[in-house]
Amino acid sequence: GESVGLHLPTLSVQEGDNSIINCAYSNSASDYFIWYKQESGKGPQFIIDIRSNMDKRQGQRVTVLLNKTVKHLSLQIAATQPGDSAVYFCAETHTPPGANSKLTFGKGITLSVRP
Amino acid sequence: NAGVTQTPKFRILKIGQSMTLQCTQDMNHNYMYWYRQDPGMGLKLIYYSVGAGITDKGEVPNGYNVSRSTTEDFPLRLELAAPSQTSVYFCASSYVGYSGNTIYFGEGSWLTVV
Repeated sequence: GESVGLHLPTLSVQEGDNSIINCAYSNSASDYFIWYKQESGKGPQFIIDIRSNMDKRQGQRVTVLLNKTVKHLSLQIAATQPGDSAVYFCAETHTPPGANSKLTFGKGITLSVRP
Repeated sequence: NAGVTQTPKFRILKIGQSMTLQCTQDMNHNYMYWYRQDPGMGLKLIYYSVGAGITDKGEVPNGYNVSRSTTEDFPLRLELAAPSQTSVYFCASSYVGYSGNTIYFGEGSWLTVV
């Protein structure tokens, strides 16, 4: 069945270090992937996305890497800051133009930044 | 910039009571969604709508109903509240088109059924 899963439930990093959050997906038809950040008591917030015709995309301090061969997605956060402490979700979908597309979310991984 | 607004933020219900979670978006998005999030878990899709007048079941629709009479509003109805419906509920919306499907979420509604 379709599933999107995260390898580790928690990740603790030192402030200033780089963080890498990994995610595996099982639906080979998926062609669009999104990372969300959820702070305590708030809704998920879009961070960055990537389509399956790319293997890397960069944003501000964040990079998403996609390895379609092994169906693996990662989020890299450079120079991790205390404000990055949150739960991070990967989500996947397939988006034929104009068709219904529903996101499948992973369980989430907690990033904790040590001062 | 309101985005997706949902109310109430917190609610305690007794078993068997009914209530409606309200959701409205001002981004003229065609798609709207209701998710629930249980502790330590990801989001599960309850219902979604691809446009006014059209709704479809998601992964966990039992015990819920929705309607979409306008593009802006997508209320979620719990008819006979059960303890299993204790959860955090998120309304979301997106514009689905050739460029992809980025979903924007509301702040959440914490519901406890006792």
